[in-house]
Amino acid sequence: KAGVTQTPRYLIKTRGQQVTLSCSPISGHRSVSWYQQTPGQGLQFLFEYFSETQRNKGNFPGRFSGRQFSNSRSEMNVSTLELGDSALYLCASKQGADTQYFGPGTRLTVL
Amino acid sequence: TQLLEQSPQFLSIQEGENLTVYCNSSSVFSSLQWYRQEPGEGPVLLVTVVTGGEVKKLKRLTFQFGDARKDSSLHITAAQPGDTGLYLCAGAGSNTGKLIFGQGTTLQVKP
Repeated sequence: KAGVTQTPRYLIKTRGQQVTLSCSPISGHRSVSWYQQTPGQGLQFLFEYFSETQRNKGNFPGRFSGRQFSNSRSEMNVSTLELGDSALYLCASKQGADTQYFGPGTRLTVL
Repeated sequence: TQLLEQSPQFLSIQEGENLTVYCNSSSVFSSLQWYRQEPGEGPVLLVTVVTGGEVKKLKRLTFQFGDARKDSSLHITAAQPGDTGLYLCAGAGSNTGKLIFGQGTTLQVKP
C-alpha cells in the first residue's frame, strides 16, 4: 500500500499571499488530520476531517482552513500568510481507531 | 487542556550507552504512540501502546505504558549512531484524530 503523500514538498510564498496544500491518505483511510510543526512550538494539531466533515479543530486562527473530498483526499488553505506561518505542515491518515500514519510534509517558507 | 511533558529534550551519548526518554501527563490517554522523525521528513511510527502496564519491545527499544495510562517511557539499549533522530511521544483520545505531542527528544549517538 502506498503511504500518505503530500504535495508540494516545498513552497515559498510572500506575506499576504495564500497557499493550498494537498494530502492523499493511505487507501481506505477516511480520517485525515493536519499538524503544524515549528522549532518553537513543536507539533500542533490543526484539524481533522472524516467523511468530508471537520471532526476536530485545534487552536489556530480562521486563516487556516481545510476540506476533504469524497475520495478522502484533503486540502488545507492558509490565507493572508504571515512570517510565523513558516513551518513544516504534516498530514496524517488513519482508519477507525487505529494509529495515525504521517506523510513527508510540506515545508512552507513565508518571506 | 491536555499536555504531554517529554524529557529530556536533548541527549548526546556515546555508542553503546543506554538511555531512557520519559513522557508524562496528568491526563489519561486511550493510547500513546512513539514516533521517530528525521530532519525534513514526517514522523515514522515506532509503536502504539494501548493497555495500562503494557510493555512492547522493538529490537533494542523497549516501550512501556504506565498503569494509569498517563505516562510512558522509551528505553534504548546499547544505542547506535543509526538511532540518532527526534523521538516524539503522542497521546490519543478515544476515536479522535487529534494527537497531543510531547516537545520531542533530540538524540545524538556518537560513534
